[in-house]
Amino acid sequence: NAGVTQTPKFHILKIGQSMTLQCTQDMNHNYMYWYRQDPGMGLKLIYYSVGAGITDKGEVPNGYNVSRSTTEDFPLRLELAAPSQTSVYFCASSRDRLAQYFGPGTRLTVL
Amino acid sequence: ELKVEQNPLFLSMQEGKNYTIYCNYSTTSDRLYWYRQDPGKSLESLFVLLSNGAVKQEGRLMASLDTKARLSTLHITAAVHDLSATYFCAVDGDNDMRFGAGTRLTVKP
Repeated sequence: NAGVTQTPKFHILKIGQSMTLQCTQDMNHNYMYWYRQDPGMGLKLIYYSVGAGITDKGEVPNGYNVSRSTTEDFPLRLELAAPSQTSVYFCASSRDRLAQYFGPGTRLTVL
Repeated sequence: ELKVEQNPLFLSMQEGKNYTIYCNYSTTSDRLYWYRQDPGKSLESLFVLLSNGAVKQEGRLMASLDTKARLSTLHITAAVHDLSATYFCAVDGDNDMRFGAGTRLTVKP
């Protein structure tokens, strides 16, 4: 099992550009999450999904969009990137709201 | 709104000593999680606490949950250098996951 994989690992984006962060899990987990972690801080929930076709907003959804067409994949879309979106992004998955398994993260810089 | 507070935020310990990290939260929840994060790395699950009075132990770490007091503790026994990391608690407010700010633990010889 690869667990939770994220791509890319690092990326530099220009202000106003858009991009998609990819997240895939091979554990057949129904729950998936996207978080951002700013330096020295805890994680903040951006979006989550309880199953294919179902997504909902978390604490900080503005500037982001998600989709969940399959159980395995949960991409995060950044539209019109802003410097405030510079952060480390973590994807996670869990079975039935038990322990979350985190991906390695994507370090994103918006300049 | 669900709020999660951890204290202390920074903790410097000597090897062999005991200490407790506290996690308070503001609204009713039936799920509390503890995670560990090493510098520059991802998060690793330590414990999931699902009911009042739940206690879980793994090695030198023991976590407990008091849902009435809205308090969880992470107790460290006879600390060793390998436990140096940042520890986060997180509370599931019906899928509204909220994390504490983290406790940065340094264990010194």
